[in-house]
Amino acid sequence: ETGVTQSPTHLIKTRGQQVTLRCSSQSGHNTVSWYQQALGQGPQFIFQYYREEENGRGNFPPRFSGLQFPNYSSELNVNALELDDSALYLCASSLWPPPTPTYEQYFGPGTRLTVT
Amino acid sequence: QKEVEQDPGPLSVPEGAIVSLNCTYSNSAFQYFMWYRQYSRKGPELLMYTYSSGNKEDGRFTAQVDKSSKYISLFIRDSQPSDSATYLCAMSPTQGGSEKLVFGKGTKLTVNP
Repeated sequence: ETGVTQSPTHLIKTRGQQVTLRCSSQSGHNTVSWYQQALGQGPQFIFQYYREEENGRGNFPPRFSGLQFPNYSSELNVNALELDDSALYLCASSLWPPPTPTYEQYFGPGTRLTVT
Repeated sequence: QKEVEQDPGPLSVPEGAIVSLNCTYSNSAFQYFMWYRQYSRKGPELLMYTYSSGNKEDGRFTAQVDKSSKYISLFIRDSQPSDSATYLCAMSPTQGGSEKLVFGKGTKLTVNP
């Protein structure tokens, strides 16, 4: 069983540029959630995709957008990058509805984005 | 007031010590409570998952939830150097679906041999 993978591992961008981050969900999972984790902070929910539709969004502006593909992999796009967007971006995949009472999201290792 | 408050530490203990990690929350809608462990340069991994008040034990780990006080704890017995990581509490009003998971800031734990 392959775990959650993310690419790239690290990325450096300039303010105002656009970036696309990618996530391959764990085999059999149909839901992907994206989180932003600033240094020294807990992850903050950006949005979730379920069966290719956005299914819940956190307090992030519209320049954060996403996609989920038929194979349940996902992309996070951020336009007009700002310095405050520098963070670790985590994706987590899960199966909904869960097969057990424990609903577990499996996190990938993250993409470290630095905006200069 | 933040929805979830967690003392960021850092916390440094000798090997074999009992560790207590805590979070408080303000949203009474939270029903599901989790503890994640995050090693450096890795994504969080689920340690404990509870959805009722009381204690849940798994090996050296015990999760405690007190909904009346809006307070959750994680206890680690016989701590090991391999337990050195950041511990994140997280909670949600529902089991999953479109409701977001709200995390604390994390507590960085170092267990010294």
